[in-house]
Amino acid sequence: AQSVAQPEDQVNVAEGNPLTVKCTYSVSGNPYLFWYVQYPNRGLQFLLKYITGDNLVKGSYGFEAEFNKSQTSFHLKKPSALVSDSALYFCAVRVLNSGNTPLVFGKGTRLSVIA
Amino acid sequence: GAVVSQHPSRVICKSGTSVKIECRSLDFQATTMFWYRQFPKQSLMLMATSNEGSKATYEQGVEKDKFLINHASLTLSTLTVTSAHPEDSSFYICSGRGFSGAGTEAFFGQGTRLTVV
Repeated sequence: AQSVAQPEDQVNVAEGNPLTVKCTYSVSGNPYLFWYVQYPNRGLQFLLKYITGDNLVKGSYGFEAEFNKSQTSFHLKKPSALVSDSALYFCAVRVLNSGNTPLVFGKGTRLSVIA
Repeated sequence: GAVVSQHPSRVICKSGTSVKIECRSLDFQATTMFWYRQFPKQSLMLMATSNEGSKATYEQGVEKDKFLINHASLTLSTLTVTSAHPEDSSFYICSGRGFSGAGTEAFFGQGTRLTVV
């Protein structure tokens, strides 16, 4: 079975500092990994995904994530946090050749960027 | 990215009535729609998966007679909460995918906040 773990419920960071939101996964097979962001009372917005190729993936709003197969991780990062980055972040996984199955989501991490 | 439009964004209804939520893919053909429910400060809980023209597949514990899903076209799916009760109050989100490839990301609607009084 596929699963995603986001070990931190809450991450606090000062504006201008680098941020990291952690994600680890467990799948039987090659994973496709995704990050989404959710603002209050809104749906999810796609940030970035890892399919294959370069382990460092760049996405929207200056975010990037690094796929680490040996550690089964896909942490989300940004070099300099903005107050507007404060939101709920979800990591998700789908397995290669899994057809039309839905994404499996982590429980989410609330990021708070303090001015 | 692709756009999924979900309406209404908020709805308040009386207990015992039915509520319909619409989800439209505006610039792609959503061969598959997923419906999620999200409780406060929690992750998304998958309710059902529907493929255009087929009956929806419901997750364990989700009452198919209560949460009616229709996916009659490649651009429209609806979720009808029948005989709503206060415990059905929640945030409902739809998601559409255009292709069956596992590497294709899903696009989400804005969500619907349902309050049953």
